[in-house]
Amino acid sequence: DIQMTQSPSSLSASVGDRVTITCRASQTISSYLTWYQQKPGKAPKLLIYAASTLQGGVPSRFSGSGSGTDFTLTISSLQPEDFATYFCQQSSTTPHTFGQGTKVEIK
Amino acid sequence: EVQLVQSGAEVKKPGESLKISCRASGYSFTTYWIGWVRQMPGKGLEWMGIFYPGDSDTRYSPSFEGHVTISADKSITTAYLQWSSLKASDTAMYYCARCPHGFCTNTNCRTGGFDIWGRGTMVTVSS
Repeated sequence: DIQMTQSPSSLSASVGDRVTITCRASQTISSYLTWYQQKPGKAPKLLIYAASTLQGGVPSRFSGSGSGTDFTLTISSLQPEDFATYFCQQSSTTPHTFGQGTKVEIK
Repeated sequence: EVQLVQSGAEVKKPGESLKISCRASGYSFTTYWIGWVRQMPGKGLEWMGIFYPGDSDTRYSPSFEGHVTISADKSITTAYLQWSSLKASDTAMYYCARCPHGFCTNTNCRTGGFDIWGRGTMVTVSS
């Protein structure tokens, strides 16, 4: 299976901060990388697919980049509603594994 | 509106069988892969497998193959996840979700992740 490693596992940030989360695949996955946001008690929500394509309705402060094995999710100016856990997922090779998650907390 | 509506929470005993459902609406059910994701309490997301209602092609994660069965009934646009013998370690939230842009060969599938998610079905297995 392809291993997806996110870093950091958690971070504390303030409203207005720029936040970057990284995701590394154990082998190349081209651009088959999706980012999700999950809030407590809720289902995950798709933010970005194909590594850098913003899902409709997702605020433009979210952006994604990368290809091959290294990817990043950036929140340009953290808003109160962005405090959540973020997961990456590769969909290049089955099983389509997820990263372990990054919890973004209020500083 | 595209949506996936999952069946309600279940409480079962070890060794019992269970089938949970995911009813799709608002899109062509037979032309998208649909998958299941497990989330154990306080833990991350685990990809269990995907199913193509158009031809019943099914791909499982090795971690789950042989322990669960994924299926669907096209006539009522509903996907299922079932167990024949539950274990306490099956206690988790289970999400169904739709896969956009799916392309599969005999040996592999590539998709665009999961774009639409159900709200989840909590399964508790306890003696």
